[in-house]
Amino acid sequence: GAGVSQSPSNKVTEKGKDVELRCDPISGHTALYWYRQSLGQGLEFLIYFQGNSAPDKSGLPSDRFSAERTGGSVSTLTIQRTQQEDSAVYLCASSLDFEQYFGPGTRLTVT
Amino acid sequence: ELKVEQNPLFLSMQEGKNYTIYCNYSTTSDRLYWYRQDPGKSLESLFVLLSNGAVKQEGRLMASLDTKARLSTLHITAAVHDLSATYFCAGCLNNDMRFGAGTRLTVKP
Repeated sequence: GAGVSQSPSNKVTEKGKDVELRCDPISGHTALYWYRQSLGQGLEFLIYFQGNSAPDKSGLPSDRFSAERTGGSVSTLTIQRTQQEDSAVYLCASSLDFEQYFGPGTRLTVT
Repeated sequence: ELKVEQNPLFLSMQEGKNYTIYCNYSTTSDRLYWYRQDPGKSLESLFVLLSNGAVKQEGRLMASLDTKARLSTLHITAAVHDLSATYFCAGCLNNDMRFGAGTRLTVKP
């Protein structure tokens, strides 16, 4: 079946602009995670959604980052007023039990 | 705060040899994950270890978990070139995932 998909695959944006990254989880998966992978920081947990519960936002690095999940399915990660340090690969994963299935990621470059 | 440390960070080994990657974590972890990442690719789930003494094997890879020692190991048996990749372990506490820095494995003929 279809795996986790993310769009866009690549995004180049100017410093100060807002960006939206999209994640389509595997159908039926109730949990959804966002991560960031960068050379300097490694793999970082950003946010976790479980069903219709309030998300765990404890990993978001600043208030410029926000995420929502509509209808318990598609999720959007929004970064406002992007900074160069936001350049990274943003990975999404979905899960039904404990095993997480990762999407291909969105490579964000802030110039 | 859960912290995860892997070692070694870099590992070069010859085909046919055995080796172990270690993953230590600082506090209680609900479960322990192992992932593989090929260059330019996303993460592929290898193992999820849920309880003390758990052992899982897939092909030439075997993972184990010792919750008392706060240690997980990924053992590679008779390495082959196709195993060259970066391997990450991750602990999870209350759904907050913390990753190790990764072990870059290179298997040479």
